[in-house]
Amino acid sequence: DQQVKQNSPSLSVQEGRISILNCDYTNSMFDYFLWYKKYPAEGPTFLISISSIKDKNEDGRFTVFLNKSAKHLSLHIVPSQPGDSAVYFCAASARSSNTGKLIFGQGTTLQVKP
Amino acid sequence: DTAVSQTPKYLVTQMGNDKSIKCEQNLGHDTMYWYKQDSKKFLKIMFSYNNKELIINETVPNRFSPKSPDKAHLNLHINSLELGDSAVYFCASSPQLAGGPNEQFFGPGTRLTVL
Repeated sequence: DQQVKQNSPSLSVQEGRISILNCDYTNSMFDYFLWYKKYPAEGPTFLISISSIKDKNEDGRFTVFLNKSAKHLSLHIVPSQPGDSAVYFCAASARSSNTGKLIFGQGTTLQVKP
Repeated sequence: DTAVSQTPKYLVTQMGNDKSIKCEQNLGHDTMYWYKQDSKKFLKIMFSYNNKELIINETVPNRFSPKSPDKAHLNLHINSLELGDSAVYFCASSPQLAGGPNEQFFGPGTRLTVL
């Protein structure tokens, strides 16, 4: 039972355009969401997060949007750069569980073409 | 000045062997984790420790045993290795278990191949 789903395995965009990566979740107890970026042969690195009390969080070229009613979040990268080419993982946690447990989606491979 | 380090990076071994993967973090974090990324690329939590105390123990075979000698180290020992154990294992740490943002910092991964 996959509680966090990234239904697009891959995405290809042109440099300078917007990249939109999507993530859906099923557990209404999740109250904190994170995006991680992963290059080959490296560990995931934290990118941006959002608490369930917000619907938007922005950090430079990266913006995460949260739609709680739809149980959906998205990561927008604008403008996209070739160095953004990586696998992006969405993750969710229920902080009330006091376990620190993160549930990850299966990842979306982003390719930004020069 | 690597934040979360794992050794070895690659591990190739025969079925039935026992092996260990070591993890160390120099971030001063209280909580450490082990994740497994299987062939389908899913990242799944296996264990977490908070100040040397086991917090999360997912449905992982008993052949896997984590050990935390201190809060900066969390090692993973695997007995009687099986083909299905082949995966990339990631160690991670976070500042705290609860009460705040849970941004976890990951190590570079250990690719385990069981022949």
